[in-house]
Amino acid sequence: RKEVEQDPGPFNVPEGATVAFNCTYSNSASQSFFWYRQDCRKEPKLLMSVYSSGNEDGRFTAQLNRASQYISLLIRDSKLSDSATYLCVVNRVDSSYKLIFGSGTRLLVRP
Amino acid sequence: SQTIHQWPATLVQPVGSPLSLECTVEGTSNPNLYWYRQAAGRGLQLLFYSVGIGQISSEVPQNLSASRPQDRQFILSSKKLLLSDSGFYLCAWSVYSSGSALSYEQYFGPGTRLTVT
Repeated sequence: RKEVEQDPGPFNVPEGATVAFNCTYSNSASQSFFWYRQDCRKEPKLLMSVYSSGNEDGRFTAQLNRASQYISLLIRDSKLSDSATYLCVVNRVDSSYKLIFGSGTRLLVRP
Repeated sequence: SQTIHQWPATLVQPVGSPLSLECTVEGTSNPNLYWYRQAAGRGLQLLFYSVGIGQISSEVPQNLSASRPQDRQFILSSKKLLLSDSGFYLCAWSVYSSGSALSYEQYFGPGTRLTVT
């Protein structure tokens, strides 16, 4: 089983739609969770950290479910510029220096 | 604010040639530094990380090596490139961590796209 699993997609949605991605992680001892965004042929960029109580940043909402070991990302009112690959990231429990990156979920927002 | 630089942006090298990729960070002191590789259509693979000058930890045995000669400089090298070394090489930094249970966000440089022919 992969340490971090994501549906590769692509999720193809119209502008203005709400879309949600889930990501599961295998180690219940993980403590730090993030969502990154990666545009084609570019570096990953931090979108948001995920806190236990859930957190929101504008149109983006992240949730953590420790019991089921998954994190989610909800994007409301999708924009064309949201088209990208979204990477789910979890820390390595054997070392806080290391992060485990999921392979990403691709989102395509169409006009 | 902090910035991270990588060069070159693209590189085409023949099999068996040496490699040197450089990464520098500005605006922070004593960062943790990381080298990742991303193969086409794949996830990020951690290659090396460093928590201080001269301190290098290797994640994957291979023909690559890393060095940290200065606090904010991280270098990835190879003596002889293989075809399988092709990929997108990313340098990242994070706030220094003392090894607590929590991890800090990592911030990436623009990357070097390496093609070995």
